[in-house]
Amino acid sequence: AQSVTQPDIHITVSEGASLELRCNYSYGATPYLFWYVQSPGQGLQLLLKYFSGDTLVQGIKGFEAEFKRSQSSFNLRKPSVHWSDAAEYFCAVGASGGSYIPTFGRGTSLIVHP
Amino acid sequence: GAGVSQSPSNKVTEKGKDVELRCDPISGHTALYWYRQSLGQGLEFLIYFQGNSAPDKSGLPSDRFSAERTGGSVSTLTIQRTQQEDSAVYLCASSYIGGPNEKLFFGSGTQLSVL
Repeated sequence: AQSVTQPDIHITVSEGASLELRCNYSYGATPYLFWYVQSPGQGLQLLLKYFSGDTLVQGIKGFEAEFKRSQSSFNLRKPSVHWSDAAEYFCAVGASGGSYIPTFGRGTSLIVHP
Repeated sequence: GAGVSQSPSNKVTEKGKDVELRCDPISGHTALYWYRQSLGQGLEFLIYFQGNSAPDKSGLPSDRFSAERTGGSVSTLTIQRTQQEDSAVYLCASSYIGGPNEKLFFGSGTQLSVL
């Protein structure tokens, strides 16, 4: 069975600073990997996903993530954070067989200081 | 509809009462998922529908929880004899066919509070 670990419960950054949110997964085959964002009072929205090809994927709102098979990681990055990026971020892994139900990490809460 | 719709948005109930939570997925989406989001716990999978069938209900925490989907569309999650530990946000999501690399579209959730 697949699993996802987001080791940071909270991350605090200053507006304009760079951001990296960590995600490690456990899955035997090539995973399908996702990052979702949940803004206050909103449903989860897909930021980006990886399932094959270029290991550096670009997403919406200026986010990118890099798949590193050797480290079983899929870290989310943004070069310059905006106050509106304050939200909960979830990493998820989808299996390549079976019922494909995505497994989510526990989330990382991003706090942005002015 | 334009997005996944969940109702009610908030539900306060007394311990021991039954509650029904509704999810209206995006039209044409055959896959439907229920997740539960508890404080600090992330998203916990509850049940997955493909059409009207539930091939995976392994995440339902007890036999007090049940769900159905009718007409390949609306789904209802029922919690009988609610307990305080059932308090959480219940999220519904849908996708086109439930493929492994598909994006899930989430509703805004139902905040359930059991007093």
